[in-house]
Formats: sequence, structure tokens, C-alpha cells
Amino acid sequence: AQSVTQPDIHITVSEGASLELRCNYSYGATPYLFWYVQSPGQGLQLLLKYFSGDTLVQGIKGFEAEFKRSQSSFNLRKPSVHWSDAAEYFCAVGSYTNAGKSTFGDGTTLTVKP
Amino acid sequence: EPEVTQTPSHQVTQMGQEVILRCVPISNHLYFYWYRQILGQKVEFLVSFYNNEISEKSEIFDDQFSVERPDGSNFTLKIRSTKLEDSAMYFCASTHLQGEETQYFGPGTRLLVL
Repeated sequence: AQSVTQPDIHITVSEGASLELRCNYSYGATPYLFWYVQSPGQGLQLLLKYFSGDTLVQGIKGFEAEFKRSQSSFNLRKPSVHWSDAAEYFCAVGSYTNAGKSTFGDGTTLTVKP
Repeated sequence: EPEVTQTPSHQVTQMGQEVILRCVPISNHLYFYWYRQILGQKVEFLVSFYNNEISEKSEIFDDQFSVERPDGSNFTLKIRSTKLEDSAMYFCASTHLQGEETQYFGPGTRLLVL
């Protein structure tokens, strides 16, 4: 069964500092991996995705993520955080099988200090 | 850019009442999904639907839930007799092909059961 672990429930960073949100997945084959951002009371916005090719993927809002098969990880990074990045971040794994459903991690809440 | 739409955006209902949540997937998409997010928790898969039948459902999707594609555009989730614990944000998603890497999520319907 596919699963996702986001080890950090809550992260606080200062504005302008770098950010890394961790994501580990469990899946038997090559996974499809996603990062979503959710502001309070809002829907899910796709930041970036990986399904093949270059293991470093670029997304919107200056985010990037790196797929490391050996570590079963897909960590999200941003070199300089802005106050507007404060939100909940979800990592998810999708699959060709299992009816294509996505399995989400528990999420990481990002707080940005001025 | 085409998008998934959901109605209503918010719904308040009394316990025991039936509710129908509506989704209009992207027009050429063939696979449809419902997810649920209880306040403060992660997004959970409920059901996937293809070719007018359920492909997969989670343990959450019990006999109180049903899905239907009544016409060529709508995809509905019905909760027959709502319970307090059904209060959540419900997201619809769609993809063109099974295993396509991106599921397109709607903005969600926030359901409150009193």
C-alpha cells in the first residue's frame, strides 16, 4: 500500500530564510509525487509534481523539490521564504494502479516570522 | 485553463438529513474522485469512479455514501443520512487518463452537520 510521511508537523522560519519540508513515501513502483499548498479554508493548489525524468523539479512560487529514490524522499525547498508562504503543505503520492488515487501525508504547517 | 468546479461552496445541514455535493469535472476527463478533509487533518481518499462505476473505495466510504454521474457533466457525492463526523471539506478531482500524473482538484465544499 502506498503511504506518505511528513515528519514535521509544524515548522517556523524567518522571512528570507531558506526552507525545506520533508516528505518520505512508500510505494512499490515508481511513484507520482506531488506537493500541494493549502491556505486556511481554501482548496489545494498544486506546487509541483514528479513522475519521471529530471529528479529536481521546479514549481510555482519559487519552490523546487528533489526526488531521491534511494531515500524514498521528495523534499520541498525554497531558498527565501516570503510571509505569504505561510500555509499548510501536503505531500502526496499517486499511482498508475490503485485507480490512480492519491495518498496524502498529514501535512506540515509553515509559520513565517517577520 | 479548464478547471473542476464544485457546488455549493458551503452547506449546513441537520444530522440525519441527506446532502448531495456536486462537481463538474474537466470536460474530457474520464476518472473522477472524491476526497475528504476533516478540519485540521489530512486529505483522505473516499472513492474513485470510472465508466459509470466505482473503481475503488476507502473504508470511509460506507453504505451512507454513494456517487453518481447523472449526466455527461456532473459527478455527485450523496450522503444519505449525515452524521456529525461527516463535517469536513469535500474535494472532487478528475484526470483524463488513469495514472495520469496530475489530478485536478476542485475548490471544495465545506459541509457542516449540526
